[in-house]
Amino acid sequence: AQSVTQPDIHITVSEGASLELRCNYSYGATPYLFWYVQSPGQGLQLLLKYFSGDTLVQGIKGFEAEFKRSQSSFNLRKPSVHWSDAAEYFCAVGERRGSTLGRLYFGRGTQLTVWP
Amino acid sequence: DAGVIQSPRHEVTEMGQEVTLRCKPISGHNSLFWYRQTMMRGLELLIYFNNNVPIDDSGMPEDRFSAKMPNASFSTLKIQPSEPRDSAVYFCASSLWVSEHTQYFGPGTRLTVL
Repeated sequence: AQSVTQPDIHITVSEGASLELRCNYSYGATPYLFWYVQSPGQGLQLLLKYFSGDTLVQGIKGFEAEFKRSQSSFNLRKPSVHWSDAAEYFCAVGERRGSTLGRLYFGRGTQLTVWP
Repeated sequence: DAGVIQSPRHEVTEMGQEVTLRCKPISGHNSLFWYRQTMMRGLELLIYFNNNVPIDDSGMPEDRFSAKMPNASFSTLKIQPSEPRDSAVYFCASSLWVSEHTQYFGPGTRLTVL
């Protein structure tokens, strides 16, 4: 069965420091992979996605993620965190239905706190 | 362009009452998803539609929950009767089935059942 694991429930970093949020997935085929961000009281906003091709994908707000098939991972990174990045981050794996996307399976999320 | 619209944004009701949550997907999108978010269970898919037809309702917790999509621009999620354990944030999302591969989320409805 498909599943997503985000090992870190809560991460705290200082503003300007680098960031890496971990995500591991379980899926029988090549997955569709996503990172979403949720600010308090808001819906989820897509940061970036991977479907195929280059395993390093760039997203909005200076985020990037790397797909590593051998490790079943899709870690999110940012070289320099801003205070406005404080939010909850969700990794998700999308079920492939032919060439299209079916349901998404979400991780439990990682809460990011940024110290000034 | 307007994003996914959900109403109401907040709902407080008493146990046993009927609750109806509403969603308007992004115009032109042909897939619609209902999710529930709780501290205990995280974000879980309840049901999704493609071209107004329910494709997967395996996440609907029990018969008290029902969802409809009478047309491409409107969907409802109904809970009858509501129970305190239904308290959660309910999100609606929409996507283009064929090519977009991305779900766009609404702001959510925070439901509190007393």
